[in-house]
Amino acid sequence: KAGVTQTPRYLIKTRGQQVTLSCSPISGHRSVSWYQQTPGQGLQFLFEYFSETQRNKGNFPGRFSGRQFSNSRSEMNVSTLELGDSALYLCASSLDGWGSGADTQYFGPGTRLTVL
Amino acid sequence: AQSVTQLDSQVPVFEEAPVELRCNYSSSVSVYLFWYVQYPNQGLQLLLKYLSGSTLVKGINGFEAEFNKSQTSFHLRKPSVHISDTAEYFCAVSTQGGKLIFGQGTELSVKP
Repeated sequence: KAGVTQTPRYLIKTRGQQVTLSCSPISGHRSVSWYQQTPGQGLQFLFEYFSETQRNKGNFPGRFSGRQFSNSRSEMNVSTLELGDSALYLCASSLDGWGSGADTQYFGPGTRLTVL
Repeated sequence: AQSVTQLDSQVPVFEEAPVELRCNYSSSVSVYLFWYVQYPNQGLQLLLKYLSGSTLVKGINGFEAEFNKSQTSFHLRKPSVHISDTAEYFCAVSTQGGKLIFGQGTELSVKP
């Protein structure tokens, strides 16, 4: 099976712009979670989508949003970019997501976003 | 609420030496525990997980971890490390219906 893919791998944007990141989960996985990884804050949960519905949300401002399509592919959007949004954005897919807690999350390689 | 503490931010070790990366968690309910590894410029890869049963869990690349409920720990061990084990290691905890919570990570640096 193909793994989780994320596009693009690298992005450079300027403050105030918006950006959309894409994640294709492993075939058959219905849950997609997004994480932000920075040296100072570590791995922080953004949100989880399951069957096209946002099921869980982390503590991020409304500038961060996402959606999931019927084929389970997910996109994450960040509007009005700030310097502090520079980070590695990781997407992870799983069969059941948060439902059982025992489900393994499989991570993509990430998108490295740099905001200038 | 659950939390995870990785006791060492950096662990330097010589090649072929044993290593232990420490992880403690707190939770008022039963937990599931995971160790992930992240190589430079890559995503996270699952090393091993504890769901239930035997407290000694074996994973990929020769790693193992032991679940200790009384000490609320889940330390990762490898008897002999290789240069290629240089990476960042994350301990994570989840509960039924709950999110996956990660520790701050431990940078393992294997020197020749």
